Amino acid sequence: QVQLVESGGGVVQPGGSLRLSCAASGFTFSSYGMHWVRQAPGKGLEWVAFIRYDGSNKYYADSVKGRFTISRDNSKNTLYLQMNSLRAEDTAVYYCAKDLGGRLHGCFEYWGQGTLVTVSS
Amino acid sequence: AIQLTQSPSSLSASVGDRVTITCRASQGISSALAWYQQKPGKAPKLLIYDASSLESGVPSRFSGSGSGTDFTLTISSLQPEDFATYYCQQFNSYPQTFGQGTRLEIK
Repeated sequence: QVQLVESGGGVVQPGGSLRLSCAASGFTFSSYGMHWVRQAPGKGLEWVAFIRYDGSNKYYADSVKGRFTISRDNSKNTLYLQMNSLRAEDTAVYYCAKDLGGRLHGCFEYWGQGTLVTVSS
Repeated sequence: AIQLTQSPSSLSASVGDRVTITCRASQGISSALAWYQQKPGKAPKLLIYDASSLESGVPSRFSGSGSGTDFTLTISSLQPEDFATYYCQQFNSYPQTFGQGTRLEIK
């Protein structure tokens, strides 16, 4: 069965950096696009970033563009999110999600359990 | 960005009730809409994609309809495990956006 396991969350000071990882299993990771989606405490869902199956295309929400970088290592079945210049408003649970693919690109088929990032001094 | 407005924001209902949640897009998105269920402390779960297609393993009491700008999620007969928050999401164009959520509570 599909499993997505995030790690790397924690407490970081404003202006700091953090790298999240998402280990994937149960499907052919190298064949699917992947997303990061976040949820601030008690709030709704916000899409953060997408990377194509081969890493050739990446898209970002305006709120993180220029600060966050999505990447992947298909040899390790792992997705990453490098977060720099962190702000208090980046505090959230970060989920990785598998794209449904094809004409349903952009729909989130499976989600990980999430990892909490807290930006605070 | 395309805005999605869900109504109601919260809803109280009883086991066995029929419930409908609506989602309105700020511009046409064809059928590029999904519905997710989220329980406290858990990740969202895909219920419906392509506006009306039921995800594998999701009970048939869940159904979706609509196209263009107006969509609905219907639960035909509420079960205890259905009390959760529901989100619509459009994937017609970047950035993908979500509705603000509808919290379904037990009456």
